[in-house]
Amino acid sequence: AQSVTQPDIHITVSEGASLELRCNYSYGATPYLFWYVQSPGQGLQLLLKYFSGDTLVQGIKGFEAEFKRSQSSFNLRKPSVHWSDAAEYFCAVGASGTYKYIFGTGTRLKVLA
Amino acid sequence: GAVVSQHPSRVICKSGTSVKIECRSLDFQATTMFWYRQFPKQSLMLMATSNEGSKATYEQGVEKDKFLINHASLTLSTLTVTSAHPEDSSFYICSANQRRYDEQYFGPGTRLTVT
Repeated sequence: AQSVTQPDIHITVSEGASLELRCNYSYGATPYLFWYVQSPGQGLQLLLKYFSGDTLVQGIKGFEAEFKRSQSSFNLRKPSVHWSDAAEYFCAVGASGTYKYIFGTGTRLKVLA
Repeated sequence: GAVVSQHPSRVICKSGTSVKIECRSLDFQATTMFWYRQFPKQSLMLMATSNEGSKATYEQGVEKDKFLINHASLTLSTLTVTSAHPEDSSFYICSANQRRYDEQYFGPGTRLTVT
């Protein structure tokens, strides 16, 4: 069965520090992978996505993610975090053909000034 | 492009009443729409998948008679919470998909509070 694991429920970083949010998935074929950000009371904003091709994906707001098939991972990174990045981050796996997503449990990011 | 709207953004209703939430794809035809539910500080849980002109497919554990979904056109899906109770209070998010693409586009969500 498909599943998505985000091992870190909460992460706190200082402004200007680097960030890595972990995402591991379980899927029988090559998955479609997504990272979304959600501010309190708001909907989801797509940060980046991976369908195929280059395994290093660039997204909006300076985020990037790397697909590592051998590790079944799709970790999100940002070299320098801004206070406005504080939010909830969700990793999702999409299944080709069904168009359904499975979301991870989310990682809440807190940024210290 | 690929904008999805939801209406209303917030709704408060009394226990026992029904509430309808609309989800519209504004600039594309959505062959499939999805409805999610999100409790505070939790992830999104898929409730149902609806295809235009056919009955919705509900996920296990979701009461189809309580959460009525209608996908009458390629740009509109509605979720009706019937006989709402306080435990139905939640954040409801819809998304839409164009069948030839595997990406979902999400609406801004609807906060339902049942008193």
